[in-house]
Amino acid sequence: NAGVTQTPKFQVLKTGQSMTLQCAQDMNHEYMSWYRQDPGMGLRLIHYSVGAGITDQGEVPNGYNVSRSTTEDFPLRLLSAAPSQTSVYFCASSYSNRRTDTQYFGPGTRLTVL
Amino acid sequence: GESVGLHLPTLSVQEGDNSIINCAYSNSASDYFIWYKQESGKGPQFIIDIRSNMDKRQGQRVTVLLNKTVKHLSLQIAATQPGDSAVYFCAEIPYGQNFVFGPGTRLSVLP
Repeated sequence: NAGVTQTPKFQVLKTGQSMTLQCAQDMNHEYMSWYRQDPGMGLRLIHYSVGAGITDQGEVPNGYNVSRSTTEDFPLRLLSAAPSQTSVYFCASSYSNRRTDTQYFGPGTRLTVL
Repeated sequence: GESVGLHLPTLSVQEGDNSIINCAYSNSASDYFIWYKQESGKGPQFIIDIRSNMDKRQGQRVTVLLNKTVKHLSLQIAATQPGDSAVYFCAEIPYGQNFVFGPGTRLSVLP
């Protein structure tokens, strides 16, 4: 199993550009989520999904969209990039949304918005 | 990644010594806690968890202690090895709510 994969690993955008961060998992997990990690701060939840066709907002959803058309894939879209979205983005998956289910994290995407 | 760790407290220990990493949590309703390890350039990795009905839980070379009175968690790593160098952070999870992650502590193992 590849686990949780994310692409790209690095990305530089100009303010106002849009892009999609890709996330895929091959563990047949129902629950998937996106976090951002900023210097000196803990991970913050952006959006999550409890299964295909179901998504919901987390703590910091503004400026981001998600969709979940398949169990495997959970892309994160930046609609109009802003410097405040410069961060490291992690996708995670777990068997279900039970908090005791281990979350498996991808390797991250480092995004810089100029 | 490295930029995430720039603003974090650092604990430096000699190889072979024991390490103690601390975490204060904020929500007295939190009843489940997890410690994660994040190596440079990688995603966080689950280490050990503990429920609030326990004071102590042991894993392989790691022990987590929970003090609910002062809302404090600690992670003890026995016989620290170079491969233990990483950022360690805790998460508190109140029932029915999202995870709240701490910013972490960077552990540096000296040869």
